[in-house]
Amino acid sequence: GAGVSQSPRYKVAKRGQDVALRCDPISGHVSLFWYQQALGQGPEFLTYFQNEAQLDKSGLPSDRFFAERPEGSVSTLKIQRTQQEDSAVYLCASSLFGQEDTGELFFGEGSRLTVL
Amino acid sequence: AQSVTQLDSQVPVFEEAPVELRCNYSSSVSVYLFWYVQYPNQGLQLLLKYLSGSTLVESINGFEAEFNKSQTSFHLRKPSVHISDTAEYFCAVSETSGTYKYIFGTGTRLKVLA
Repeated sequence: GAGVSQSPRYKVAKRGQDVALRCDPISGHVSLFWYQQALGQGPEFLTYFQNEAQLDKSGLPSDRFFAERPEGSVSTLKIQRTQQEDSAVYLCASSLFGQEDTGELFFGEGSRLTVL
Repeated sequence: AQSVTQLDSQVPVFEEAPVELRCNYSSSVSVYLFWYVQYPNQGLQLLLKYLSGSTLVESINGFEAEFNKSQTSFHLRKPSVHISDTAEYFCAVSETSGTYKYIFGTGTRLKVLA
């Protein structure tokens, strides 16, 4: 499809496992964002890429979280040694332009992570 | 730093009645303002945005929001709601410089009753 695609849609992990969440943005979109949405909360910023450059990772909650976008298109959010507090929906969004863009974000449907 | 407050977590309203979803923000710098909507089992979609100019902005499906700088508000309104408007609505802000970091409110769940 033409939208932002995320996989897996649902992931159940045992505490201590590593997980990888994939985001396929809209083709040609320069900017890519990861957000974390806990139950009953709004999305919270994690990190931002402009092409392959990670310009802001200030929202990553700990060094167990790592994101990459090596070729400026697909991005992966990796969480090492998962803990129960990591349970949330992880949202990916892309935007056509760069840092000065005031346009809209296009969101994927999210990856729901449950850590047991 | 910015923050967004959506005081109403849930708003039930009967079909064809008017509705207002409240959004207040706090920021020491100029901001852009957005409303996003999330229908069941779908991703967030932009509903409308205020960047500059007229303080009243409208969406294609009858919603409108008014930017009130003195009250730091951006309330969303619709004069007559439909069942299909049932969704969660998120207010968001971003700085006018370095606009990449959107700050979202906690959302308001609008439930339209028949």
